[in-house]
Amino acid sequence: SQTIHQWPATLVQPVGSPLSLECTVEGTSNPNLYWYRQAAGRGLQLLFYSVGIGQISSEVPQNLSASRPQDRQFILSSKKLLLSDSGFYLCALRRREVFFGEGSRLTVL
Amino acid sequence: AQSVTQPDIHITVSEGASLELRCNYSYGATPYLFWYVQSPGQGLQLLLKYFSGDTLVQGIKGFEAEFKRSQSSFNLRKPSVHWSDAAEYFCAVGALGNTGKLIFGQGTTLQVKP
Repeated sequence: SQTIHQWPATLVQPVGSPLSLECTVEGTSNPNLYWYRQAAGRGLQLLFYSVGIGQISSEVPQNLSASRPQDRQFILSSKKLLLSDSGFYLCALRRREVFFGEGSRLTVL
Repeated sequence: AQSVTQPDIHITVSEGASLELRCNYSYGATPYLFWYVQSPGQGLQLLLKYFSGDTLVQGIKGFEAEFKRSQSSFNLRKPSVHWSDAAEYFCAVGALGNTGKLIFGQGTTLQVKP
């Protein structure tokens, strides 16, 4: 069965610093991959999705970017973090259902 | 516009009591429907899904949900709640086309009283 690894699990960063959150998957090939953000007390918002290597679609304009350098690797980045980037970031993959990783909690101070 | 509404932000039930969490959706195409559960600080776990066929679907942990097309609803139920069911529950709708994107409701937080 597929597994999703996210790291770091928690991160505290100052405003203006860069960001890199990594997601790797195992047990599947050529998956659709997704980055969702969950802000405190709110639902999940789809940020990016990727249907293959180098293919990124952005759902909302924002300070973040995503890349997919390998089939099973999906990276969320920022050059300069904003306070509003704080949240819980979830990587997901789709087979018939959508499965989620354990998340990365980002606090921007 | 495509959307999912979970009318109840917070629900409290007594252990052993029955539970129903409401979910209404607006979706232009044939909807595929999901319920996820999230414990604090954790990722989302799939409870159950509806793709087609029998409108009453069974999931893990004793949960079930019923798809009612006429009411655009997909309510989650459990006959007898356990203290370990306390968590946040999310309803989601999507299509299983190439993108597989999901639209989530805002979530319902379930508290279980002893």
